[in-house]
Amino acid sequence: GESVGLHLPTLSVQEGDNSIINCAYSNSASDYFIWYKQESGKGPQFIIDIRSNMDKRQGQRVTVLLNKTVKHLSLQIAATQPGDSAVYFCADLTGNQFYFGTGTSLTVIP
Amino acid sequence: ETGVTQSPTHLIKTRGQQVTLRCSSQSGHNTVSWYQQALGQGPQFIFQYYREEENGRGNFPPRFSGLQFPNYSSELNVNALELDDSALYLCASNPQIHNEQFFGPGTRLTVL
Repeated sequence: GESVGLHLPTLSVQEGDNSIINCAYSNSASDYFIWYKQESGKGPQFIIDIRSNMDKRQGQRVTVLLNKTVKHLSLQIAATQPGDSAVYFCADLTGNQFYFGTGTSLTVIP
Repeated sequence: ETGVTQSPTHLIKTRGQQVTLRCSSQSGHNTVSWYQQALGQGPQFIFQYYREEENGRGNFPPRFSGLQFPNYSSELNVNALELDDSALYLCASNPQIHNEQFFGPGTRLTVL
């Protein structure tokens, strides 16, 4: 069955450093991926997406990398700020269903 | 532009009762999906509605049902509530199938 998992459940970084959050997926047919940020008590917030015909996409302070060979996705956050502290989920689209991983909790240390 | 809204924000029910949760999709979005998020877990797909028809369903029993209205708002109904139904219920909308989904703030359901 479909499985989307994250390599590390928690991550702590110093303010100003770069953060890297990783995600593995199992379905090679997945063709669309999204990273979400979820703060406590709120719904997931869209960060960035990438389609399977790309291997890199950049946004404002964030970059998503997709390695289809090993079915791995990563989210890089540049110059991490205290406001980046949250749980980050990757989700992949298979058919018309999004499958979410369990999340990585990012804590930014001032 | 109004984002996705959900009501109520919190709800407490007892086992065996029925509950209806509501979602207003973002303007222009005709696809609505519902998710259940247990504490410490990622959202789990319940079902999706596209132009008032169910368009996919996750691994949830039939006592989880839904509706989508002509204005694309949606309801999630859960019958015969169980303790394990306690979770954050999220609604997400997108302008068409396969585009990025935008989530509402969720409804926190507690079943006692």
